Amino acid sequence: ELKVEQNPLFLSMQEGKNYTIYCNYSTTSDRLYWYRQDPGKSLESLFVLLSNGAVKQEGRLMASLDTKARLSTLHITAAVHDLSATYFCAVDSRVGKLIFGQGTTLQVKP
Amino acid sequence: EPEVTQTPSHQVTQMGQEVILRCVPISNHLYFYWYRQILGQKVEFLVSFYNNEISEKSEIFDDQFSVERPDGSNFTLKIRSTKLEDSAMYFCASSGDLGNEQFFGPGTRLTVL
Repeated sequence: ELKVEQNPLFLSMQEGKNYTIYCNYSTTSDRLYWYRQDPGKSLESLFVLLSNGAVKQEGRLMASLDTKARLSTLHITAAVHDLSATYFCAVDSRVGKLIFGQGTTLQVKP
Repeated sequence: EPEVTQTPSHQVTQMGQEVILRCVPISNHLYFYWYRQILGQKVEFLVSFYNNEISEKSEIFDDQFSVERPDGSNFTLKIRSTKLEDSAMYFCASSGDLGNEQFFGPGTRLTVL
């Protein structure tokens, strides 16, 4: 069964610093999604990665996908407080269900 | 911009009671999903629905759960006899096709007392 693991699960960082969140998954898939969730809120779609080598950027966030390594990364550049949230990766299992990672809670301190 | 809507936003019920959670998917979407998230945990798939039948379900989705599309717009999740451990946020999602991006609703927080 497809398993998705994120690390770290918790990340506290200073404003202005860079960091990367990793998402590993266990079986072949070429569709991976990144979501942001604020406390008590729904899942906001950040990135849709549909092929090996896909790279997408939005503001201070950049996501990439390596299907051969079964790895996606979410890179944060020059973090700001507004980026504080929980970030989930989710892998499409090819039968229409998304398997989510455990989530990475990001806390950006001034 | 089209969006998935869910009602109610918060439902409180007594253990053993039946609850129905409602969703209105994006109008031209064909695939519908329910997920749940126990507080502080990851999001878990419950069920997918296409062409008026279940296409995939998880081991969580046992006989106490059912889904229905009672009309052309609503998609419902029924929990027949709620347990304390059913307390969670329930998200509905829809997609235009299998494998397309899923769009999530705002969620219904279910509290079972």
